[in-house]
Amino acid sequence: EPEVTQTPSHQVTQMGQEVILRCVPISNHLYFYWYRQILGQKVEFLVSFYNNEISEKSEIFDDQFSVERPDGSNFTLKIRSTKLEDSAMYFCASSRTGDGYTFGSGTRLTVV
Amino acid sequence: KQEVTQIPAALSVPEGENLVLNCSFTDSAIYNLQWFRQDPGKGLTSLLLIQSSQREQTSGRLNASLDKSSGRSTLYIAASQPGDSATYLCAVIQGAQKLVFGQGTRLTINP
Repeated sequence: EPEVTQTPSHQVTQMGQEVILRCVPISNHLYFYWYRQILGQKVEFLVSFYNNEISEKSEIFDDQFSVERPDGSNFTLKIRSTKLEDSAMYFCASSRTGDGYTFGSGTRLTVV
Repeated sequence: KQEVTQIPAALSVPEGENLVLNCSFTDSAIYNLQWFRQDPGKGLTSLLLIQSSQREQTSGRLNASLDKSSGRSTLYIAASQPGDSATYLCAVIQGAQKLVFGQGTRLTINP
């Protein structure tokens, strides 16, 4: 069964550093998303991406965050200057039609 | 603003029992509803997707129902097994295909 692949599985970074989280969505999917889950809290929407542009973003997705689809297969989330409160599990998801999602296994980001 | 609530927060039952997990949402203007399973420290595995025009979906021992008018969904698990132990998440899909999640129900099946 097709999978959404995320790398790395775990990343530790120092506060103030830039991080890039990588995702390879399912190849024939058109809609791409990033979500995050702070330990013990709900999974929260960050951003949706369709037709090479952001279609919606949450209040969390401020100027420190950006997304990119640099080629036909990768989808990245960049955090420019990490804060302690950015520590969370980040999930990439994709969808072919915009209903029904496939999630990756996540990247655990730890900011120290 | 859409709010999704799942009750109970945690549930522990003996193996073999049938059980029901509940999900409620405040805004009935949803496109679809999706149930996921999350194992500790892991990603989200899709279990069932219910289109807004459907009343229920079944996959193996799982059955999910949707009542949009009352803002409720249930996930029924038949003949529970220890391998079913996980956190079950309900999420509604609305507006620009954004998922809004509940807090989840942490399920433990005791052998």
